[in-house]
Amino acid sequence: KNEVEQSPQNLTAQEGEFITINCSYSVGISALHWLQQHPGGGIVSLFMLSSGKKKHGRLIATINIQEKHSSLHITASHPRDSAVYICAVNGNQFYFGTGTSLTVIP
Amino acid sequence: NAGVTQTPKFQVLKTGQSMTLQCAQDMNHNSMYWYRQDPGMGLRLIYYSASEGTTDKGEVPNGYNVSRLNKREFSLRLESAAPSQTSVYFCASKVGGGQPQHFGDGTRLSIL
Repeated sequence: KNEVEQSPQNLTAQEGEFITINCSYSVGISALHWLQQHPGGGIVSLFMLSSGKKKHGRLIATINIQEKHSSLHITASHPRDSAVYICAVNGNQFYFGTGTSLTVIP
Repeated sequence: NAGVTQTPKFQVLKTGQSMTLQCAQDMNHNSMYWYRQDPGMGLRLIYYSASEGTTDKGEVPNGYNVSRLNKREFSLRLESAAPSQTSVYFCASKVGGGQPQHFGDGTRLSIL
């Protein structure tokens, strides 16, 4: 069983496009995290959300607690945004989605 | 600003060999974690340590042991490596509660 589901699994976009990655979860949580993993493997935390919306540069993350759903948006996408984006939730432990592999083509 | 440091970055072992993966953090975090990442699967928790002196099993603990040596260091040991343990291993730490985890760069382990 997957406590965290992400869609799409793979995404290819042209530079400049608006991108949305979705995350649904099935457990009670105290927080939801969006992580970025670049080729070469390092993982960095982009956002931690417990409600509402957060914005950092061209990245926007939203969460709907009632619907158990979160979205990560990238505006004006750039090739350097190419990475795997991972949704993770804080339940009684951390649960991770399998990631969305994003490729942005110049 | 080291953050979470894992060593080694790469390792090749033969079946049956043992080895210890090292992890150290310099952020005075209470909680530390070991995960494995396999193709097509999310990160899976092997063991964690909520605080110095405590360790607990995660989702996939079989074949592994851990030691929380002090607040900074949390090591993962494979006593008798098996090909199924070929994976990328990540160490992470956090202050506590719902705070974000900080990840190391990973250790790529291949077992032949």
